[in-house]
Amino acid sequence: DAGVIQSPRHEVTEMGQEVTLRCKPISGHDYLFWYRQTMMRGLELLIYFNNNVPIDDSGMPEDRFSAKMPNASFSTLKIQPSEPRDSAVYFCASSLWFNEQFFGPGTRLTVL
Amino acid sequence: AQSVTQPDIHITVSEGASLELRCNYSYGATPYLFWYVQSPGQGLQLLLKYFSGDTLVQGIKGFEAEFKRSQSSFNLRKPSVHWSDAAEYFCAVGPNTGNQFYFGTGTSLTVIP
Repeated sequence: DAGVIQSPRHEVTEMGQEVTLRCKPISGHDYLFWYRQTMMRGLELLIYFNNNVPIDDSGMPEDRFSAKMPNASFSTLKIQPSEPRDSAVYFCASSLWFNEQFFGPGTRLTVL
Repeated sequence: AQSVTQPDIHITVSEGASLELRCNYSYGATPYLFWYVQSPGQGLQLLLKYFSGDTLVQGIKGFEAEFKRSQSSFNLRKPSVHWSDAAEYFCAVGPNTGNQFYFGTGTSLTVIP
């Protein structure tokens, strides 16, 4: 299996622009997680899905952030409008059942 | 409240020396425990996990961890560190049903020759 795939690997954008991060989970996994990693706050769980349904989005920082999972093989995390404080590495992870998570390589987002 | 504490932000060891990274957790129910490793610019890779049974678990790359319920700890060990072990190590705790999953703040390991 190719593992969890994320795109793009790097994204540089200007404040106010819309940013869309993409994730393809491991085939057959029914949980998908979005994390954000920064030096200041460490690794934060933003949202997770089970069978394409959002289960817990309490970690989403504000309404500018949204996530969707239209099917079992694709998810997006969107930031609109983006701000410099959103600069971070965003990880997607998937699991066959809740606990053992497999992480993607991450998307490094820089908002100027 | 549930939490994971990694008291050591940064550790430096000599190549060939033994290693122990500490992890303490606070969790109301029986925890599932994990150690992940993150190399620079990479995602997190699972090193080992504890669900139940033998409290000493073996993982990849020669790592092991011991679950001690009385101390609420799940420390990671390796008898002889290699330069390639330099990375960030994360301890994590989760329930045995779908719910929140908690990561520690990580321990950065530097290996000197």
